[in-house]
Amino acid sequence: AQTVTQSQPEMSVQEAETVTLSCTYDTSESDYYLFWYKQPPSRQMILVIRQEAYKQQNATENRFSVNFQKAAKSFSLKISDSQLGDAAMYFCAYRSAWGGGSEKLVFGKGTKLTVNP
Amino acid sequence: EAGVTQFPSHSVIEKGQTVTLRCDPISGHDNLYWYRRVMGKEIKFLLHFVKESKQDESGMPNNRFLAERTGGTYSTLKVQPAELEDSGVYFCASSLGTGTYEQYFGPGTRLTVT
Repeated sequence: AQTVTQSQPEMSVQEAETVTLSCTYDTSESDYYLFWYKQPPSRQMILVIRQEAYKQQNATENRFSVNFQKAAKSFSLKISDSQLGDAAMYFCAYRSAWGGGSEKLVFGKGTKLTVNP
Repeated sequence: EAGVTQFPSHSVIEKGQTVTLRCDPISGHDNLYWYRRVMGKEIKFLLHFVKESKQDESGMPNNRFLAERTGGTYSTLKVQPAELEDSGVYFCASSLGTGTYEQYFGPGTRLTVT
């Protein structure tokens, strides 16, 4: 079974600075998807960024980028120029890409990010 | 376009009672998922519907939980009888397709069993 580990329960960053959230995962599959979701306080969880495992190029979405190290099974999220609105719980998630596999997302425990003004 | 909605937002019930949670997916989304987050733990998958059929119910904890999706539209998740360990936040998500399609999440229902 796949597992996802987020080793940082809480992180903080100064506004305009850069922060990196860590995520490692364990799987025996060769093809899969990885996601970072963000859940602001009292609001719905939204997708921040996704990465297909077969792609070597790291995904980027504006100020959000990932460092995907397939051999190390590592998938960290970098937030550049942090803004107050980035304060949220961040969840790393895994999903199998195997056609006969489950479509379920496997989540880590989350990292609470605080942005200080 | 309306997002995924869930009702109620919060429910407090006593052990042994029954509770029914409802999820309305985004219109046109055939795929509907239920997840649960127990305090301090990971968000865990419960089950996946494709239209009205259960595609994967491997995460359902036991037979006290019953999920339905009549007509392939909204879904309900009934817990009967509720136990203390059922407390947590229940999330619903929907997606247009599978594979790389994004799962859109609802705000969750916070269930407290006393």
